[in-house]
Amino acid sequence: DAKTTQPNSMESNEEEPVHLPCNHSTISGTDYIHWYRQLPSQGPEYVIHGLTSNVNNRMASLAIAEDRKSSTLILHRATLRDAAVYYCILRDSSNAGNMLTFGGGTRLMVKP
Amino acid sequence: DGGITQSPKYLFRKEGQNVTLSCEQNLNHDAMYWYRQDPGQGLRLIYYSQIVNDFQKGDIAEGYSVSREKKESFPLTVTSAQKNPTAFYLCASSMGGRSNEQFFGPGTRLTVL
Repeated sequence: DAKTTQPNSMESNEEEPVHLPCNHSTISGTDYIHWYRQLPSQGPEYVIHGLTSNVNNRMASLAIAEDRKSSTLILHRATLRDAAVYYCILRDSSNAGNMLTFGGGTRLMVKP
Repeated sequence: DGGITQSPKYLFRKEGQNVTLSCEQNLNHDAMYWYRQDPGQGLRLIYYSQIVNDFQKGDIAEGYSVSREKKESFPLTVTSAQKNPTAFYLCASSMGGRSNEQFFGPGTRLTVL
């Protein structure tokens, strides 16, 4: 599976936008970009995913570079409840088992 | 409410004992997964099942066993052969096929004394 690289940690102030970067320079044409987040002592939850075009949903936006070698998860207005570990994951669309390969993720800290 | 339940939330066992972790889902999902998470690390796949009565090894299956006799249930047994079983265990499910989202349970924290 293609690998992703994320910063270990980031800080944000409450009610400000947060941009979480992810590098995936070896991404293949059939890889989808998925983001999950994990709050302390809980299971991960799905945030968003995309292939080529930018995506928006109620939780976040996903901006994908034109060459697809990087992407950015955007939280438009961080709240204290957004403090979590954010995982950027590539999933091959030909992967019939739908397995997810988690890296270390980015620990987001939100300051009041 | 639809979702995934794992029980118990905390589990303590003596070294050398087998222990079975429960995972149940009422989402009518075909695929189910077991992951292990160590402190400060990402999740690693232990086993997965795409359909009843079928399952496949993940990246770290040694010392673990599973069964999938019913669509809604995917129990994981941590055997005495697992060298370092203390960890946070997470179960997940998805619709299968090319579905995009995995739904995770709350996890079971296993401590082997």
